[in-house]
Amino acid sequence: KAGVTQTPRYLIKTRGQQVTLSCSPISGHRSVSWYQQTPGQGLQFLFEYFSETQRNKGNFPGRFSGRQFSNSRSEMNVSTLELGDSALYLCASSPSLAGSYNEQFFGPGTRLTVL
Amino acid sequence: GESVGLHLPTLSVQEGDNSIINCAYSNSASDYFIWYKQESGKGPQFIIDIRSNMDKRQGQRVTVLLNKTVKHLSLQIAATQPGDSAVYFCAEKTGANNLFFGTGTRLTVIP
Repeated sequence: KAGVTQTPRYLIKTRGQQVTLSCSPISGHRSVSWYQQTPGQGLQFLFEYFSETQRNKGNFPGRFSGRQFSNSRSEMNVSTLELGDSALYLCASSPSLAGSYNEQFFGPGTRLTVL
Repeated sequence: GESVGLHLPTLSVQEGDNSIINCAYSNSASDYFIWYKQESGKGPQFIIDIRSNMDKRQGQRVTVLLNKTVKHLSLQIAATQPGDSAVYFCAEKTGANNLFFGTGTRLTVIP
């Protein structure tokens, strides 16, 4: 069974630009969550999608948005990039909403660098 | 506010020895905790969890200890192997709130 895949793996953007990251969950998984990971803050929850609807949201500004498609694939978008948005963005999939954390699997992440 | 931190940012152990990774939390209302392992270039991997009504939980070669009195969580890895080299971090959850993650400890296993 293929794991969670994220594309692209690496991305370099400049301040003010926008970026779209993609996540393909494990086959059969319907919940997709996004996280931001930085050395100083650690892992921080961005949002969770299930059945194409955002079900849960962390404390990030509106520049961070996402969506989920009918095949459970998800994208997240960051507009008007700032230097502080440089981070590893991780996607995790779960079979269902609010399931057990031991059923949640992470992808390898997309490393975003904002110059 | 909540704070989840680690006592040591790095830990080096000899192969075959036991490892102990510590985590302090400040929210006494947290009722669920998870330890994650993150290898270089990979996403975090769930290792073991524990609820606040327990003091100890064991898995395969791993044990999590919870001391609610001093708000301390530890992960013990028995007979540490080179494949255990990774960053380990804890996460806490309070009720229906989202997980709150620590920044991690890098474990290096010396062959």
